[in-house]
Amino acid sequence: DGGITQSPKYLFRKEGQNVTLSCEQNLNHDAMYWYRQDPGQGLRLIYYSQIVNDFQKGDIAEGYSVSREKKESFPLTVTSAQKNPTAFYLCASTRDGQSPYGYTFGSGTRLTVV
Amino acid sequence: GENVEQHPSTLSVQEGDSAVIKCTYSDSASNYFPWYKQELGKGPQLIIDIRSNVGEKKDQRIAVTLNKTAKHFSLHITETQPEDSAVYFCAAFLIQGAQKLVFGQGTRLTINP
Repeated sequence: DGGITQSPKYLFRKEGQNVTLSCEQNLNHDAMYWYRQDPGQGLRLIYYSQIVNDFQKGDIAEGYSVSREKKESFPLTVTSAQKNPTAFYLCASTRDGQSPYGYTFGSGTRLTVV
Repeated sequence: GENVEQHPSTLSVQEGDSAVIKCTYSDSASNYFPWYKQELGKGPQLIIDIRSNVGEKKDQRIAVTLNKTAKHFSLHITETQPEDSAVYFCAAFLIQGAQKLVFGQGTRLTINP
């Protein structure tokens, strides 16, 4: 079955550490997205990529970095510059960046700073 | 840019009653409005959507209405069941500029048996 796989499901980070969240899709989608979810604030866009080797900042990109070397993969790195990284992170994909149809989400990674 | 406001933030209804969640959007150029259901610890799942050339769409117990003039759209769930308890998000697709989905803040719906 096609879908999006996020790993790990739970991640703990010490202050000052960088961590990388994995997102893999086998839907043959061109566009991929990273969202951050905090209680009462809905989903906020961190970064998105409409095609391989290209990505753009979303609304809250500071303290995060991404890469898109393969169509299937869009990893997110939470750097030490992100002051409040504890949140639920969601990856999503669509067939192409110009169309919102078929927006598919992964099951998320919960990151906690300890 | 687009801004989507969603109300209420929490909603509690008796099993069998109806639930209504409302959203407003700011950009009149937005043309696609999906609704997502998110269960605890999972990613959001699309439950229904509506395009700007349609005023209402129904799928069994759920329906969505769109008022383009007023720039608001609503989710209606009838004959609610305990499994309807979840967080619901509305969204609007911004077709100009970044061409992205902008989400509302979410509504936590609780169905009381």
